[in-house]
Amino acid sequence: GDSVTQMEGPVTLSEEAFLTINCTYTATGYPSLFWYVQYPGEGLQLLLKATKADDKGSNKGFEATYRKETTSFHLEKGSVQVSDSAVYFCALSVSGGSYIPTFGRGTSLIVHP
Amino acid sequence: NAGVTQTPKFQVLKTGQSMTLQCAQDMNHEYMSWYRQDPGMGLRLIHYSVGAGITDQGEVPNGYNVSRSTTEDFPLRLLSAAPSQTSVYFCASSGGGGNTIYFGEGSWLTVV
Repeated sequence: GDSVTQMEGPVTLSEEAFLTINCTYTATGYPSLFWYVQYPGEGLQLLLKATKADDKGSNKGFEATYRKETTSFHLEKGSVQVSDSAVYFCALSVSGGSYIPTFGRGTSLIVHP
Repeated sequence: NAGVTQTPKFQVLKTGQSMTLQCAQDMNHEYMSWYRQDPGMGLRLIHYSVGAGITDQGEVPNGYNVSRSTTEDFPLRLLSAAPSQTSVYFCASSGGGGNTIYFGEGSWLTVV
C-alpha cells in the first residue's frame, strides 16, 4: 500500500536558520504530493503541493520539489522565523485511485529567537 | 468562505455518555472523513465517506458511528464515551483522489 515517511522531530532551530524536513513516499499510481502545516490549536492547512514529477511547490518561503527518481518531497526554507513553529505533515493522494490520502506522522518544528 | 465547519470546538463528557460531533462543508466535495489526533500518533482515520449514503471504516472505527445523508454533512457519533476517546478530532473533505484535503479547526474532546 501507499506510505509516507518523514523525519521525526522535534526539529529545533534558531531564527534565520535553514530548514529541511525530509519526506519519502511509496505509492501505486501517480500521486500528488502535499505539505500541510498545523499551528498550535488549529487544524491542518495546505502549505504547498506538487502534482507531477519535477514540479516545485512553493508558499510563504517554503519550497518542495517532487522527485520521482528518489521518491522524495523534502520541505525547505532558507530562513525560518519564530512564527514558523508548527507541526508539518507530508501527504500523498493518488488521482483516480482511493479517495483516502496517506499522511506522514508529522514533524514538529520549534524556532527559537 | 466557510470551508469545513466543525462543532463543538470543546466538549467534556462523562464516561458512558453519547454525543455527536458535527461537520459540514460547503465545497460540494464527495469525500469526507474523520480523524483523531493523539500525541505521538499522527492522524488516524476513523471513518470516511465517498458520497451521500456511502460510508466505510478507517483505521480506528470502534466506538464511533457515522452517516452521510447529504453531501454537505458528515456527523460523528460517540456511542458510549470512554476515556480512551479523549482526543482532538478533525473533519476533512476533498474533491477526490489527487485533490487538496481541507480540514476543520478541530474538536477537543475530554472524557472523564
